[in-house]
Order: sequence, then C-alpha cells, then structure tokens
Amino acid sequence: EDQVTQSPEALRLQEGESSSLNCSYTVSGLRGLFWYRQDPGKGPEFLFTLYSAGEEKEKERLKATLTKKESFLHITAPKPEDSATYLCAVQASGGRYIPTFGRGTSLIVHP
Amino acid sequence: GAVVSQHPSRVICKSGTSVKIECRSLDFQATTMFWYRQFPKQSLMLMATSNEGSKATYEQGVEKDKFLINHASLTLSTLTVTSAHPEDSSFYICSARAGGSGSGNTIYFGEGSWLTVV
Repeated sequence: EDQVTQSPEALRLQEGESSSLNCSYTVSGLRGLFWYRQDPGKGPEFLFTLYSAGEEKEKERLKATLTKKESFLHITAPKPEDSATYLCAVQASGGRYIPTFGRGTSLIVHP
Repeated sequence: GAVVSQHPSRVICKSGTSVKIECRSLDFQATTMFWYRQFPKQSLMLMATSNEGSKATYEQGVEKDKFLINHASLTLSTLTVTSAHPEDSSFYICSARAGGSGSGNTIYFGEGSWLTVV
C-alpha cells in the first residue's frame, strides 16, 4: 500500500527564516510526486510535479527536490503570504492514477 | 497553468433536497476526474474517480446512490448530493487529470464548494 508521511505537522517561521518541509513516501513504482499549497477554505493549488530521483524544480521562493524515498520543499526567505498548508502526494505507476496524499504541513510565517 | 473551475463555491440547501456541483476543466481535456470531501483541518478524503463516459468508481464507504457522479464529457463532471442531510455539510473539491505521460499527468484542483444543509 502506498504511503506518504509529511513532517513536521506544523511549522512556525519568522519572515526570512529559511526551512524545509519533508515528504517521505513508499510506493510500488513512482509515476509522479506532487506538491500543492492549500489556503483555508480553498482547493489545493498546484506547485510542482517531480518524476525521478535527482529532479529539482523551483518557483519563486520554493524549491522541490526528489530522492527515491523522500521529497523536500525548501522555502527560502519566506514571507507571511507563504503561510498555508503544503500537501504532498504520490501517484503510483499502473492503476487508476489516484494520488495518495500526506496529511500536510501547516506553515505559518510571522512578520 | 491548467484551470479547473468548480461551481457553485457556496450553496445552502434544505434538508431532503438535492444539490448539484459542477467541475469543469477550462483549458484541457480531463481524462479522469476525482471528487474529494474535506472536513475542517483534515486531509482530503477521496470519494470517487470518474472517467469520461464511464461509471464512477466509488471508494469504500461512499454511498453511490447518495453521491451521484456524472462525467458526461472530457471537460465536465458533476456531483449531485441527493436527499441531503445536515451531516452532508462539508467542503467538496474536484480535481482533474489531463491524461498521458509527463506533464499531462498532473492533477489540478478546483476551488472547492462549501455545502451547508439546513
């Protein structure tokens, strides 16, 4: 059974204090790993898809990396507007394309 | 990026009535659509998966006669909550997958629909 574990559950940072969110996964064969941002009361917003170990993608202050067992979402010099819940999901090869989600990391960035 | 539009964003209905939520992929054809339910401060709970022109596949514990899903075209899926009761009040979110490999496999979410049954 595919599993995704995100840590920490909650993270409080000061503005400008860089940090990383972790997504550990087990999957029979990885088709893709997704990162999303979800604001309260809204649907998840797509950030990145990673497909193979060693792959990295960047968008503004965010950088996602992937190994065979985990993915990191690095946040550089965060701002208060980066406060949100960050969700990680894996999609196994074969099957019904259903992503398995982690429980998310709730990030609060204080000014 | 790809856009998935969900409507209505908020709906209030009386107990015993039915309500329909629409999910549209605006700039791509959605091979597969997923419907989720989310309770406050909890993770997404997959309700069902639908492929265009096929019957939806429901997750264990989801009543298919209560939550009717229709994926009539490659850009539209609907969720109808039949005979709604207060316990059906929740945040419902759809998502869509374009299909194919690579970037076409990415799954995009709608904005969500808040349902309140009174």
